[in-house]
Amino acid sequence: DTEVTQTPKHLVMGMTNKKSLKCEQHMGHRAMYWYKQKAKKPPELMFVYSYEKLSINESVPSRFSPECPNSSLLNLHLHALQPEDSALYLCASSQENRDRVVQPQHFGDGTRLSIL
Amino acid sequence: GENVEQHPSTLSVQEGDSAVIKCTYSDSASNYFPWYKQELGKRPQLIIDIRSNVGEKKDQRIAVTLNKTAKHFSLHITETQPEDSAVYFCAALHSSNTGKLIFGQGTTLQVKP
Repeated sequence: DTEVTQTPKHLVMGMTNKKSLKCEQHMGHRAMYWYKQKAKKPPELMFVYSYEKLSINESVPSRFSPECPNSSLLNLHLHALQPEDSALYLCASSQENRDRVVQPQHFGDGTRLSIL
Repeated sequence: GENVEQHPSTLSVQEGDSAVIKCTYSDSASNYFPWYKQELGKRPQLIIDIRSNVGEKKDQRIAVTLNKTAKHFSLHITETQPEDSAVYFCAALHSSNTGKLIFGQGTTLQVKP
């Protein structure tokens, strides 16, 4: 069973809609990530949050807006998306590095997003 | 920029045979290399990882080797089973140590019964 929970599992929206993707983990991880994955391609990093602060934005268009309300939750707010934004959106989490030792990232099941 | 090359892109083996997937990374300061297995329609699942202070790591039928000098690392699966069929991604941690993983393009492994 995955310990990173994402909702919804599927989402269909029009280009003028506003929706949000949600991610939750209760492992005490302090780093959380959003990835985008197109079919037959590897995950592409979008955002990294560390201790609830945005630490990486991989030049993602502003129509994607991340939010980390607390250490267990990560949201991705969507507005005015384009058809090419249709993809699997994956959330991941990891413990913070300890003594410069990197900790593994664990993925949720993702939200499959379709833009009409 | 930093890059990870993964080969082969597809691999077909008979059940019971071994499978080897190879990756090469460009960032000599990378120090962490995970491997993920992704079955169709499912999440990437961490199956094994290796850090730069280790040359080899095993977990039952799975092993990973790392050659820091050549900037190569490989996944070895022995006694393959049909349930090993999936897409496998290698990755290297970006030297910024911010948690950014650079992924290879993936290998589709098919294990024929």
